[in-house]
Amino acid sequence: AQSVTQLDSQVPVFEEAPVELRCNYSSSVSVYLFWYVQYPNQGLQLLLKYLSGSTLVKGINGFEAEFNKSQTSFHLRKPSVHISDTAEYFCAVSATSGTYKYIFGTGTRLKVLA
Amino acid sequence: EAGVAQSPRYKIIEKRQSVAFWCNPISGHATLYWYQQILGQGPKLLIQFQNNGVVDDSQLPKDRFSAERLKGVDSTLKIQPAKLEDSAVYLCASSSVGGLGGYTFGSGTRLTVV
Repeated sequence: AQSVTQLDSQVPVFEEAPVELRCNYSSSVSVYLFWYVQYPNQGLQLLLKYLSGSTLVKGINGFEAEFNKSQTSFHLRKPSVHISDTAEYFCAVSATSGTYKYIFGTGTRLKVLA
Repeated sequence: EAGVAQSPRYKIIEKRQSVAFWCNPISGHATLYWYQQILGQGPKLLIQFQNNGVVDDSQLPKDRFSAERLKGVDSTLKIQPAKLEDSAVYLCASSSVGGLGGYTFGSGTRLTVV
């Protein structure tokens, strides 16, 4: 079985500052990794995904994440945040075979301050 | 392409009443998921369909929750009778087989049980 840990429940950051949202996973098999964003009263939107290949993955809205197999991490980064990035961010993992169901972390609330 | 449609957006019911949620996935997506998102937590998978067959319902409280996907397209999730702890956002998502392209989520139904 897989599990995901997002250690930071809330991350406040000033506008135009860089940000890193941390995600660690646990799995006995190979995994795919995802980051989703959820704006208030909306569903989840895919930011980026790691399936295979390059460990640095670029997504929408200037976000990127790096897969680190030895540290079982998939941290999300953005070099300069905007007010509009204020949202909840979820990391998810799925096995590379079987049902491919996603296991989500508990989320990190990013609050960008003016 | 049209997104995943869900209705209603909001529902308030008294405990012990019944409620049903509807989901229309993206056309051509064989896999449909229902997730439960309790406030402050990440989404938890309730049930996964592949076409009109159940792939995973291991976390569905079957004594009160039921779901069906007729003709492999629309799906309905029902709760009967509802409990206070069922208050949550119910998210429907769909994907092509394997979900490697990522899930597409609907906006969800916010259920409040009083």
